[in-house]
Order: sequence, then structure tokens, then C-alpha cells
Amino acid sequence: DAGVIQSPRHEVTEMGQEVTLRCKPISGHNSLFWYRQTMMRGLELLIYFNNNVPIDDSGMPEDRFSAKMPNASFSTLKIQPSEPRDSAVYFCASSLMGGARDTQYFGPGTRLTVL
Amino acid sequence: AQSVTQLDSQVPVFEEAPVELRCNYSSSVSVYLFWYVQYPNQGLQLLLKYLSGSTLVESINGFEAEFNKSQTSFHLRKPSVHISDTAEYFCAVSETSGTYKYIFGTGTRLKVLA
Repeated sequence: DAGVIQSPRHEVTEMGQEVTLRCKPISGHNSLFWYRQTMMRGLELLIYFNNNVPIDDSGMPEDRFSAKMPNASFSTLKIQPSEPRDSAVYFCASSLMGGARDTQYFGPGTRLTVL
Repeated sequence: AQSVTQLDSQVPVFEEAPVELRCNYSSSVSVYLFWYVQYPNQGLQLLLKYLSGSTLVESINGFEAEFNKSQTSFHLRKPSVHISDTAEYFCAVSETSGTYKYIFGTGTRLKVLA
């Protein structure tokens, strides 16, 4: 199994530009999570999908952030326009059923730098 | 509301010495407990978890953690650490009656010294 795949691994962009992060979950998993990791705030859940449907987006910082999951094998997190304070490592994770006892499998992350 | 506290942000320890990474949680309901490890430039991966049954759980690489309900703790221990254990360790909790949501601690950076 290839695990959770994220691309790009690194992204450097200028303030105001659109950024799109991509994620391919583990095949057969029906739950997908986007997290953001910063030194100041630690690991924050941004959004949770179950069966491709967004269930909880309460962690999305503001309207500049949007996420989609058009099918079971692909999700995107978009930031438009990007700002320097969005600089962070963004992780995608998937789990089998999304249950409280389920293990979450994390991708390697995308390190975003907004200049 | 749930919360997870990892009191130590950094723990330096010499190779082959024992280590304990502390985790305390706060919750008004029953919880599941997890330890995840993050090696440099990688995503988090599950180290071990407590769901039910024996309060002592072990990982394949020699770590163990004990669920203490009265002290609301889930400390991680290893009797003899290796250089390769250098990583950041995250404690997490989820409600047994809930779905999907983990609450993560702020992490403890373990630095194993030669």
C-alpha cells in the first residue's frame, strides 16, 4: 500500500497567489482529514470528509480556504488569496471509517511558505 | 470540552537511558487514547493506542503506555532509547461516544544523545 499521498511536498508562493494542495487517501478509506501544523498552534483539524461529503469544516480559518473531495481517491485544499500567516505544514490523513477508535494515517505533508 | 496536555515540550536523554513522556487529558466522558510519532520531515504515524481492556499497551518498537483513569494520564515510556527514537511524540484523545475527532497535544520533542 502506498499510504496517503500528498503533493506538492514543498510550495513557495507569493502573497496573493492561489495555492492548491492535493491528497490521495488510502484506497478503501472513507474518511479524510486536512490538518495544519504550526509552531504556535500545533496540529489543527481544518476539515473532515466522510464518503466524500464535508462533515465538519469548523476549523477552516476563513473564506480564503476551501476544500473539495470530488471522489473517493482525491481531495484538494485551496487557499485564495494566500497570506504569509498561512505558512505551515498541511497534512492530509485518512481512516477506514472515521470512527473515534480508528487509526488515522497521515501523509508526508506539504510545507507551504507564503512570502 | 476535551483537552490534552503534554507538559514537556522537549526531552533530551542519553542513548540507552529510560524515558517517560507525559500526557494528561481532561474529559467528562470516556475516551480512547493514542500516541503518534513524527520523524523529521514525515507525517504522523500511530505508535500505540488504548481502546479498552488492559490498561498497559505496547508498541512493536519497545514503547509502552499505561492508561490511568484516576489520574487522567497516558504516559509513554521506554526502558532504553536509541538514537533512532529521536522524533516528536503526540498524545491524542477521542470520545468513545463520538466520531472522528481527535484532540492532539502540543507534542514533545525527544532528542536522544549519543
